[in-house]
Amino acid sequence: AQKVTQAQTEISVVEKEDVTLDCVYETRDTTYYLFWYKQPPSGELVFLIRRNSFDEQNEISGRYSWNFQKSTSSFNFTITASQVVDSAVYFCALSSGNQFYFGTGTSLTVIP
Amino acid sequence: DTGVSQDPRHKITKRGQNVTFRCDPISEHNRLYWYRQTLGQGPEFLTYFQNEAQLEKSRLLSDRFSAERPKGSFSTLEIQRTEQGDSAMYLCASSRTINQPQHFGDGTRLSIL
Repeated sequence: AQKVTQAQTEISVVEKEDVTLDCVYETRDTTYYLFWYKQPPSGELVFLIRRNSFDEQNEISGRYSWNFQKSTSSFNFTITASQVVDSAVYFCALSSGNQFYFGTGTSLTVIP
Repeated sequence: DTGVSQDPRHKITKRGQNVTFRCDPISEHNRLYWYRQTLGQGPEFLTYFQNEAQLEKSRLLSDRFSAERPKGSFSTLEIQRTEQGDSAMYLCASSRTINQPQHFGDGTRLSIL
């Protein structure tokens, strides 16, 4: 069965700290895609990154970086030098077959 | 660039009534998705369209729910005989092709009295 697990329900950090959001997925498919989305307090989901199952290169975009490891079925997201504007709920998602699965989200609060 | 728009933003209705929501995707996107999100949960996939064809429906989708995309542009989601458990945020998203990033609308919040 396909599934996305985000074990961290809530995380609080002080501004400028680094924080890693964990994502573990399950799928039997060999071809699949993984995503991270941000949902700020305003509510609209915003796309952050997409990875396909054949591309295990880590990616860095500014203060954001992603670590994809097929061996552990994980796709973790790190924010470096966190800022108050990073406060939001972050969702990891899996596209596998013709279905789409979101995790339950991690609520990140960055304290000034 | 016009994003995904959903109408209405809020809908309050009595249990047992029918409701219909509309979604206008980004114009060049041929894939359109419907999700439901309840408080503290991630979006739950309901169904999706490629152009006017409905390609997949979640097994969790009750037969009281029906979706259409008649001309491959806007889509409607109808819930018949609403129940308390239908209270949620209904999200629409669109993408260019399969597995491309989905762009989400602001959602329609449904409250059942």
